[in-house]
Amino acid sequence: DAKTTQPNSMESNEEEPVHLPCNHSTISGTDYIHWYRQLPSQGPEYVIHGLTSNVNNRMASLAIAEDRKSSTLILHRATLRDAAVYYCILSESGNTGKLIFGQGTTLQVKP
Amino acid sequence: ETGVTQTPRHLVMGMTNKKSLKCEQHLGHNAMYWYKQSAKKPLELMFVYNFKEQTENNSVPSRFSPECPNSSHLFLHLHTLQPEDSALYLCASSPYAGGGNYGYTFGSGTRLTVV
Repeated sequence: DAKTTQPNSMESNEEEPVHLPCNHSTISGTDYIHWYRQLPSQGPEYVIHGLTSNVNNRMASLAIAEDRKSSTLILHRATLRDAAVYYCILSESGNTGKLIFGQGTTLQVKP
Repeated sequence: ETGVTQTPRHLVMGMTNKKSLKCEQHLGHNAMYWYKQSAKKPLELMFVYNFKEQTENNSVPSRFSPECPNSSHLFLHLHTLQPEDSALYLCASSPYAGGGNYGYTFGSGTRLTVV
């Protein structure tokens, strides 16, 4: 599976937008970009995923670079409950693809 | 409730004990997974089941024995574990095995301590 690179940690202020970057320079044409987050003492939670076009849902937005070698998860208005580890994962389409987690980005939200 | 329920939430067992972890989903998903999360480490994929059939075993020691009687239930049978097996064990499900256009739903995990 192709690799992703994320910063180890980021800080944000409450009620401000947060942009979480992810580099995936070896992405293949069939790889989907997934984002999950894990709050303390809980299992990971699905946030969003996409292939080529930008995606929006009630939790966040996913901005995908035109060459697909990087993406950004956007939390439009951070709350204290958004403090978590955020994972950017590439998953190949088809039955051989799977979610392989890296270290992720630990997001701290300051009041 | 996340849609994937794991029991028990916490388990302490001796190295000679036999115990089982249970995972249940009623999302209509056909694939189920076991992950292990040790302290300060990323999640490690252990087993994959698709339509009750095991499709992946990532070199997991035989002291971990999975069982998938149907697409809604997944068990992890544990025996003669070591202290280094202490970890958070997470179950997940997805519509079909693999990745791509399907999101996974995770349970809250079982915190296992081996003494």
